[in-house]
Amino acid sequence: SQTIHQWPATLVQPVGSPLSLECTVEGTSNPNLYWYRQAAGRGLQLLFYSVGIGQISSEVPQNLSASRPQDRQFILSSKKLLLSDSGFYLCAWTGSGKNGYTFGSGTRLTVV
Amino acid sequence: DAKTTQPPSMDCAEGRAANLPCNHSTISGNEYVYWYRQIHSQGPQYIIHGLKNNETNEMASLIITEDRKSSTLILPHATLRDTAVYYCIVMVLVLTNAGKSTFGDGTTLTVKP
Repeated sequence: SQTIHQWPATLVQPVGSPLSLECTVEGTSNPNLYWYRQAAGRGLQLLFYSVGIGQISSEVPQNLSASRPQDRQFILSSKKLLLSDSGFYLCAWTGSGKNGYTFGSGTRLTVV
Repeated sequence: DAKTTQPPSMDCAEGRAANLPCNHSTISGNEYVYWYRQIHSQGPQYIIHGLKNNETNEMASLIITEDRKSSTLILPHATLRDTAVYYCIVMVLVLTNAGKSTFGDGTTLTVKP
């Protein structure tokens, strides 16, 4: 069965520090991968998506970047975090199945 | 991708049916209607989806109007555990492209005892 792993679950980072969030998918090949961010009490904002290794599309210009070094690995990064980067980050994938998105459990990032 | 409109909040009595509406007036012919729910501090979970026919599974029923411009998610016997934010989105999934969708603020359903 397909599973998606996202870590860490929570993270507190100082302003100006770097960030690396990792997401991996198991049990499928060539998934479409996504990073979403959710502000408190709000919906999901699509940040990046990828249809293949090394292929990244950015939806919102910002302080973040994404990379896909392997087929089932998606990484969200920042060189210098801002206070406004705080939020709930969700990784997701879609594939050949018809159930649409499968989301990870999320990372709650607090920039202090 | 077409966008959706949902009421921000709804209440429902435990044991009663919860009917959550969604408007998607600009939906394209090849876009599906999907429903997800998100319990606090967790990732959204798939509930059900449909193209034009009504659908039912073990979790819920989905009623799509004939013109496909709106739909209703029905939780037939709501329980306290159904308290969550419910998202309605529309999207087309093609294997060689990334279907990407806009999640609005959803509907916060509160089931009350």
